[in-house]
Amino acid sequence: KQEVTQIPAALSVPEGENLVLNCSFTDSAIYNLQWFRQDPGKGLTSLLLIQSSQREQTSGRLNASLDKSSGRSTLYIAASQPGDSATYLCAVKTGFQKLVFGTGTRLLVSP
Amino acid sequence: DTAVSQTPKYLVTQMGNDKSIKCEQNLGHDTMYWYKQDSKKFLKIMFSYNNKELIINETVPNRFSPKSPDKAHLNLHINSLELGDSAVYFCASSRRTGGITNYGYTFGSGTRLTVV
Repeated sequence: KQEVTQIPAALSVPEGENLVLNCSFTDSAIYNLQWFRQDPGKGLTSLLLIQSSQREQTSGRLNASLDKSSGRSTLYIAASQPGDSATYLCAVKTGFQKLVFGTGTRLLVSP
Repeated sequence: DTAVSQTPKYLVTQMGNDKSIKCEQNLGHDTMYWYKQDSKKFLKIMFSYNNKELIINETVPNRFSPKSPDKAHLNLHINSLELGDSAVYFCASSRRTGGITNYGYTFGSGTRLTVV
């Protein structure tokens, strides 16, 4: 059974810092991995999608890496801003169209 | 706007009632899902439909019945609502080719269900 864990569960940083969010999964047989952000009371916004054959994806200040063999992904956020405050979720795509979510990292970036 | 849209956004109802949540996507995706986010913010899949055919049915009480009239719509009907059904329900869609979906998922904004 696929289990996805995110560390840390919560993170508080001052504006301008670079930070790394971690995601680990127990079964390396995945099709892809997707990072989302969720703002309080809102839906999920897709940030980055990494296929199982890829090592990383970049979008603006965000960079996500994937090491499938070790069951790890990291989301790097450069020069954090207060608007980055949200809960970040990683999810892995397993067989049978199933997206298994991690436990989330709640990020607070203070001005 | 291309999106996954759910209605209603909020739903407050009494125990024992029957309610429905509607979901529509105009992204041209052929696979749709219902996810439940519990009070601890953990998201878990409930159902998945591909071209109107049920392909995933997790361990969900049979009071929950999804219905897909066409591949752009996936509704969720809940009978005899219980306090424990209170949660946020998210609809999502994706595209499936060759039996595998290598595309990302697009989520709706959620329906917050409160059973009193």
